[in-house]
Amino acid sequence: DVKVTQSSRYLVKRTGEKVFLECVQDMDHENMFWYRQDPGLGLRLIYFSYDVKMKEKGDIPEGYSVSREKKERFSLILESASTNQTSMYLCASSHSRDRISYTQYFGPGTRLTVL
Amino acid sequence: KQEVTQIPAALSVPEGENLVLNCSFTDSAIYNLQWFRQDPGKGLTSLLLIQSSQREQTSGRLNASLDKSSGRSTLYIAASQPGDSATYLCAVLRMTGSARQLTFGSGTQLTVLP
Repeated sequence: DVKVTQSSRYLVKRTGEKVFLECVQDMDHENMFWYRQDPGLGLRLIYFSYDVKMKEKGDIPEGYSVSREKKERFSLILESASTNQTSMYLCASSHSRDRISYTQYFGPGTRLTVL
Repeated sequence: KQEVTQIPAALSVPEGENLVLNCSFTDSAIYNLQWFRQDPGKGLTSLLLIQSSQREQTSGRLNASLDKSSGRSTLYIAASQPGDSATYLCAVLRMTGSARQLTFGSGTQLTVLP
């Protein structure tokens, strides 16, 4: 079974703090993704990565950065957290060799509250 | 830019009813369409995936259809049960250069009453 884990289920931070959200997958997937989910807006792609040290902007990258130093780990960084970044953050991964379905496997999510 | 819409946003039905959830998308150039289930506070579980060349997929009491030309998909749930209560999301996979990106709808929150 594919397992995608996220470091925290719930996180509370203060405005201006630097925040790290960690995601780890155990299936040797090349592709990893970070989404945020807000009521009425669905999931929106923040950043994704095809390989170690590679990153691509998604639809809403402003205010975020990412790091992929190891294949299994993809970190989302909020350099200076703001209240409008309060959201549910979901990580996903997929295999490049899956050229039929490009199935993404999702972690349980981290609910971040910025006060 | 691809936009995915799901109607209704919320639905409440008595146990045993058959029901249909709707998904529409603006750009028919999709690679595939997926239906996901999300339980409160949890991640997403893939239910059904339809390739762009397919018309429907079935899994147990679930049947998903795809009409790419009209930009529509439906998820049919037969004989609903309280355990089906969850948020259902549809997502389309688009190709942008070398990228493979999912665009999600905002979901339909389903409550099945015992």
